[in-house]
Amino acid sequence: AQKITQTQPGMFVQEKEAVTLDCTYDTSDPSYGLFWYKQPSSGEMIFLIYQGSYDQQNATEGRYSLNFQKARKSANLVISASQLGDSAMYFCAMREGEDDKIIFGKGTRLHILP
Amino acid sequence: KAGVTQTPRYLIKTRGQQVTLSCSPISGHRSVSWYQQTPGQGLQFLFEYFSETQRNKGNFPGRFSGRQFSNSRSEMNVSTLELGDSALYLCASSLTRGYNEQFFGPGTRLTVL
Repeated sequence: AQKITQTQPGMFVQEKEAVTLDCTYDTSDPSYGLFWYKQPSSGEMIFLIYQGSYDQQNATEGRYSLNFQKARKSANLVISASQLGDSAMYFCAMREGEDDKIIFGKGTRLHILP
Repeated sequence: KAGVTQTPRYLIKTRGQQVTLSCSPISGHRSVSWYQQTPGQGLQFLFEYFSETQRNKGNFPGRFSGRQFSNSRSEMNVSTLELGDSALYLCASSLTRGYNEQFFGPGTRLTVL
């Protein structure tokens, strides 16, 4: 069974609109961390945001926020006021416990339209 | 502060050869992880090194190996290359094990002919 599921292979969004990228995860470990990474066409993975399973509040980093719904095992990324430079591949990932192995989802390709 | 560097950036090899990829983590970072990215399998964890010891290993054959030096630089080696080893190999560093942020390098694009 997949541990990280991203159901949207691709999305097209108008510039300046908000974007929600979906991510669901599967783990029985009570301690885990959830990550979102951005991968532009250049190939480099860029860390965006982190949410720990025990964090009480949803993580935010500038225009990025993580909509963490623990009971539903959902960790959606919200990008406010999208920009053309947001066009990229976005990966949701999870680390169980303090194991440094991070498991990635298949990704969502986001296209921002001018 | 310099980011994670990986060399070489591009590599073309033929089946049966071996290859060594290098990763220099951010200064002060002691944990280094390697990932393989292919269009079919996506991003898959290869292994993690910390304090010159392999701490974790993904589900890859023994042809894939690695090591870490005392300055935290890491190398990975793939022996007896197969066509399916063509991929982008990404290295990531973090301050220590289990740290929230991993910083990735630009990757090495390996093509096996």
